[in-house]
Amino acid sequence: QVQLQQWGAGLLKPSETLSLTCGVSGGSFSGYYWTWIRQSPGKGLEWIGQINHVGGSNYSPSLRSRVTLSVDASKNQFSLNLNSVSAADTAVYYCARVQYRTTWYDYWGPGTLVTVSS
Amino acid sequence: DIHMTQSPSSLSASVGDTVIITCRATQTIGNYLHWYQQTPGKAPKLLIYDASSLQSGVPSRFSGTGSGTDFTLTISGLQPEDFATYYCQEGYSSPITFGQGTRLDIK
Repeated sequence: QVQLQQWGAGLLKPSETLSLTCGVSGGSFSGYYWTWIRQSPGKGLEWIGQINHVGGSNYSPSLRSRVTLSVDASKNQFSLNLNSVSAADTAVYYCARVQYRTTWYDYWGPGTLVTVSS
Repeated sequence: DIHMTQSPSSLSASVGDTVIITCRATQTIGNYLHWYQQTPGKAPKLLIYDASSLQSGVPSRFSGTGSGTDFTLTISGLQPEDFATYYCQEGYSSPITFGQGTRLDIK
């Protein structure tokens, strides 16, 4: 059974860097894009970016200047860094999986609430 | 970006009812349209992919139709566990985008 677990700091101050990691177990790490999606009351579900097991990545144009995705295939983990956060980045952050040549997300992590507050 | 509009934004129904949720795209997306169910405090769960294909393990009371710009999700014979929020997602463009959600409440 595929499982995604995620961890990282849940409370940040403005201008700090958000860092989250997602670990994958129970399935192959290759053949998928590993994705970050966030959800806030104001903006709904928002796609942040995706990365594959060899580091090929794509980012949302609206966040590209502040986002870095990285992968550690030896540990079946991938990470999100979002710098210069503000209150607008307060959201629940999810990691999710999409198989190559498909466009739907079949497995999701449980979500991490990240709050940005001074 | 493609904008996805769901209607209604909320609705109330009773156990056993049949409900229809619609999703409209601002441009044609073929059948690259997927439906998710979300309950409070949980991640979205995939129900339907490619407009009409039922995800493994999802009850057959869920069905989807549509292509191009207009899509529907039908839930036939509502069960208590179906009261949740439903989202559509287009997979045609990058970045992919989601609808704003339809909240389904018990009447």
